[in-house]
Amino acid sequence: SQELEQSPQSLIVQEGKNLTINCTSSKTLYGLYWYKQKYGEGLIFLMMLQKGGEEKSHEKITAKLDEKKQQSSLHITASQPSHAGIYLCGADGVDSGYALNFGKGTSLLVTP
Amino acid sequence: DAGVIQSPRHEVTEMGQEVTLRCKPISGHDYLFWYRQTMMRGLELLIYFNNNVPIDDSGMPEDRFSAKMPNASFSTLKIQPSEPRDSAVYFCASSSRTGGEETQYFGPGTRLLVL
Repeated sequence: SQELEQSPQSLIVQEGKNLTINCTSSKTLYGLYWYKQKYGEGLIFLMMLQKGGEEKSHEKITAKLDEKKQQSSLHITASQPSHAGIYLCGADGVDSGYALNFGKGTSLLVTP
Repeated sequence: DAGVIQSPRHEVTEMGQEVTLRCKPISGHDYLFWYRQTMMRGLELLIYFNNNVPIDDSGMPEDRFSAKMPNASFSTLKIQPSEPRDSAVYFCASSSRTGGEETQYFGPGTRLLVL
């Protein structure tokens, strides 16, 4: 089955700093989704990538899917306390049908 | 749009009791997913439906778990009897595959604690 590994597991950054979260798949990615989760809340959809080399941005968050479609990165520029939360990558895979396989998540804390 | 609605938001019960979780998907969505999130295992798919029909229930832990979708606007996940290891956050998500929109939208989750 497809496995997604996220790194780092947790991250503490100072406000204003840039950061990158990685998501590596054991199999080819057909659709890669990034979600953000705050404690006690559901997952908020951020971005979806499908094509190798694709890059999307929303406000200060940029996500990329590499050419081989087995790794994605999420980059936050000039982090703010509002960026704190758990970031999860989820993937459509050959063996998952229309359900998503998820990584374990990366916990982000932004300090003043 | 109200988004995916789940109830209750929190549930505390004793081992052996029946627990029913409820979900109302986004109107017009024809896929509904039930996921479970724990610290140890992360977010895992339990079951999903297409047009009210269960498509894949391979993630359902055992016979104590059952899910139904009697109509396009309502689904339930039932645990009977509940056990402490069922304690987790249960999420419902919905999506539509028409028009190229495939994103799954999640509800706020139900936090279940089985004592």
